[in-house]
Amino acid sequence: ETGVTQTPRHLVMGMTNKKSLKCEQHLGHNAMYWYKQSAKKPLELMFVYSLEERVENNSVPSRFSPECPNSSHLFLHLHTLQPEDSALYLCASSQDTGYYNEQFFGPGTRLTVL
Amino acid sequence: AQTVTQSQPEMSVQEAETVTLSCTYDTSESDYYLFWYKQPPSRQMILVIRQEAYKQQNATENRFSVNFQKAAKSFSLKISDSQLGDAAMYFCAYRLFQGAQKLVFGQGTRLTINP
Repeated sequence: ETGVTQTPRHLVMGMTNKKSLKCEQHLGHNAMYWYKQSAKKPLELMFVYSLEERVENNSVPSRFSPECPNSSHLFLHLHTLQPEDSALYLCASSQDTGYYNEQFFGPGTRLTVL
Repeated sequence: AQTVTQSQPEMSVQEAETVTLSCTYDTSESDYYLFWYKQPPSRQMILVIRQEAYKQQNATENRFSVNFQKAAKSFSLKISDSQLGDAAMYFCAYRLFQGAQKLVFGQGTRLTINP
């Protein structure tokens, strides 16, 4: 596998379920990101990790819980979600968090909350 | 507030023709980077082109070029010799030199290429 991969690609869950999204990057990068892409809205940054340390949390509800066990893996743990949380969740990575760095995106997980 | 506006929700162009996608942004900062990302139907977002705000020369990548007007806070993308594979959502974004780590994205423009 190369680049940034995400699993699963599609996820349907009830509001009482607990699930996790996984992201893996094979680029040797030190920074990883979670974005939310809702229909007809700009991408919203959720979390930023640099060297496994969370450096930004954009006022995301606590029902979203990120985890970065190492610089290659990023998880987003989901629990008691709401229907409005249905969206495409994109993971990205970059060499570091420098502003000039290109972010490489994964294909996303399409989440539907029933 | 830091915002990016893409005023064209949808655009279409004939294959081999040229199309320009518009983008304006709002920031009081002077140092930042500007980006155009492409998201094909397969959904994987890829970088098309980027521009450093302190550089006056417009960036060019093969058939893709930008018209960067810093005073007007405008950053349009020109696609020359459009190809069917150019069909995608195009997102304009910027990132500040200091402070927040995030890319600020516009809402996107859906580009259709007519054969």
